[in-house]
Amino acid sequence: SQKIEQNSEALNIQEGKTATLTCNYTNYSPAYLQWYRQDPGRGPVFLLLIRENEKEKRKERLKVTFDTTLKQSLFHITASQPADSATYLCAGTYGNKLVFGAGTILRVKS
Amino acid sequence: DADVTQTPRNRITKTGKRIMLECSQTKGHDRMYWYRQDPGLGLRLIYYSFDVKDINKGEISDGYSVSRQAQAKFSLSLESAIPNQTALYFCATSDFSGGLYNEQFFGPGTRLTVL
Repeated sequence: SQKIEQNSEALNIQEGKTATLTCNYTNYSPAYLQWYRQDPGRGPVFLLLIRENEKEKRKERLKVTFDTTLKQSLFHITASQPADSATYLCAGTYGNKLVFGAGTILRVKS
Repeated sequence: DADVTQTPRNRITKTGKRIMLECSQTKGHDRMYWYRQDPGLGLRLIYYSFDVKDINKGEISDGYSVSRQAQAKFSLSLESAIPNQTALYFCATSDFSGGLYNEQFFGPGTRLTVL
């Protein structure tokens, strides 16, 4: 079965810096990779997606890349703010289903 | 009003009890999903439904059943709850109009504890 792996260690960064989160997949490449934000006690909220044949996608302070050679997606938040602190989930689209990673906690300190 | 609602938000029950979690949506989406979330394991798919007459098992369907009562309603049942079903449960919806891109919209979750 397909697996999506994210760094289980929390990422702690200083306000204003760029946060980079990693998502790796095993076996087959997903048709899309999606990124979600989850705050404590809430459901995930969609942020951005990238197609398998795209290298990079941007939306405001967010950037996501998709490298099928490395089997990896990187998610960047530039000029990070304390309000960006949350858990970020990566998910791969396989057919009609999403396979989620366990998420990485991001803490941005002022 | 929230687009995807779940009831109850919190539930404590005992081993062996039957319990139902309900999900309603006002987004007009055909596709609905049930996930459970456990620490360190991420979201895992329990069941999904692409329309009222279509129900499919997900990754971890054993011990669960679902009912799609209408386009807007999808309920999850635990016939005989056991402690390892203690988890956070999420309902989600998606719209097929975007092809396979499948962005999902999640409800606020139900925290279930089985004693």
